[in-house]
Amino acid sequence: DQQVKQNSPSLSVQEGRISILNCDYTNSMFDYFLWYKKYPAEGPTFLISISSIKDKNEDGRFTVFLNKSAKHLSLHIVPSQPGDSAVYFCAASSPYSSASKIIFGSGTRLSIRP
Amino acid sequence: SQTIHQWPATLVQPVGSPLSLECTVEGTSNPNLYWYRQAAGRGLQLLFYSVGIGQISSEVPQNLSASRPQDRQFILSSKKLLLSDSGFYLCAWLPRTTEAFFGQGTRLTVV
Repeated sequence: DQQVKQNSPSLSVQEGRISILNCDYTNSMFDYFLWYKKYPAEGPTFLISISSIKDKNEDGRFTVFLNKSAKHLSLHIVPSQPGDSAVYFCAASSPYSSASKIIFGSGTRLSIRP
Repeated sequence: SQTIHQWPATLVQPVGSPLSLECTVEGTSNPNLYWYRQAAGRGLQLLFYSVGIGQISSEVPQNLSASRPQDRQFILSSKKLLLSDSGFYLCAWLPRTTEAFFGQGTRLTVV
């Protein structure tokens, strides 16, 4: 039972264009959402997050949008740069989950082509 | 600041051999610690978590086990490795439901 789903395993975007990574969730109790970036052979690093009381959070080139009614969030990267090539994980958490669990999606591999 | 140490970075083990991966956290006390696995083509699967010494919760039935012998130490073990145990193992510290800090990971290849 996947509570957090990233249906696109990979995405290729031209350098300078916008990258849009999508994520869907099923648990309506989730109230906090995070995006992590992972390079090969390294641990994931935090990128950006959003609380369920907001519908948008922006940090430089990265913006996360949340549509609670659709249980959908997306990460926009603009403009895309070569260093953005990595695997991106969407994650969600609930204040009602035990032991501070954060549930991760399956990841989307983003490739930025020149 | 908090630091998560995880070792070894890479490991190649034959089928049927034992496994021990260690994770230690510095700069905090009584941390909530987690083991995740990233298998080929799959996401980050939560394997175990621990809220304190000797307290282990398992998320999925499997060939692995975990132990928390000390406050800031979390160990992932197996008595006999299977080919399907291959993957990238990550230790994480979650201070709250809104933050997760990961170690550098261990690439395990079972041959």
